[in-house]
Amino acid sequence: GAVVSQHPSWVICKSGTSVKIECRSLDFQATTMFWYRQFPKQSLMLMATSNEGSKATYEQGVEKDKFLINHASLTLSTLTVTSAHPEDSSFYICSASAGAIYEQYFGPGTRLTVT
Amino acid sequence: TQLLEQSPQFLSIQEGENLTVYCNSSSVFSSLQWYRQEPGEGPVLLVTVVTGGEVKKLKRLTFQFGDARKDSSLHITAAQPGDTGLYLCAGELTRFQKLVFGTGTRLLVSP
Repeated sequence: GAVVSQHPSWVICKSGTSVKIECRSLDFQATTMFWYRQFPKQSLMLMATSNEGSKATYEQGVEKDKFLINHASLTLSTLTVTSAHPEDSSFYICSASAGAIYEQYFGPGTRLTVT
Repeated sequence: TQLLEQSPQFLSIQEGENLTVYCNSSSVFSSLQWYRQEPGEGPVLLVTVVTGGEVKKLKRLTFQFGDARKDSSLHITAAQPGDTGLYLCAGELTRFQKLVFGTGTRLLVSP
């Protein structure tokens, strides 16, 4: 149990376009979903926290207008990278929690490359 | 500033050796997790420790949470090539409702 999927697993897009990444909890209802970013050979950095039906809470330094997060249901959250640029290229990982913050189940990640 | 510092950053050892990875902070955490991550994949939870001084064992892996809940260690006995990966500690900051990840330790175990 407690499986989280992400789609797509990798995506290449041109500079200036927008990309949407989906995060789904397959066998449980996630009241909270988290979006992380990971640069090569580095750790995970929390970008934002989203609760179903409410606005996401962004970490300091993360542009909310650039990284749009929607958590419309208890099983789906989306991250849209708007007007992507090469510096947005990264590994994006989501996680989902049904309750306790420390009980997060991580997705397999999405590798975004902006050319 | 990074709340959780891991050491060493990189470790390359031979199969059969023992090793210890440290995770240190000046902050107190409600709980602390250890994850292992392989390239191109999400992190996989190894263990959660919640009580100061707690020790948990998972086969050849031993995890300890510091008495003051500010630090933790991961000890691997008789390392195997399958242990290769990025090891991450993560502390729960209940007040802020989030996990903070450590800087990471990259382990390479050669046959």
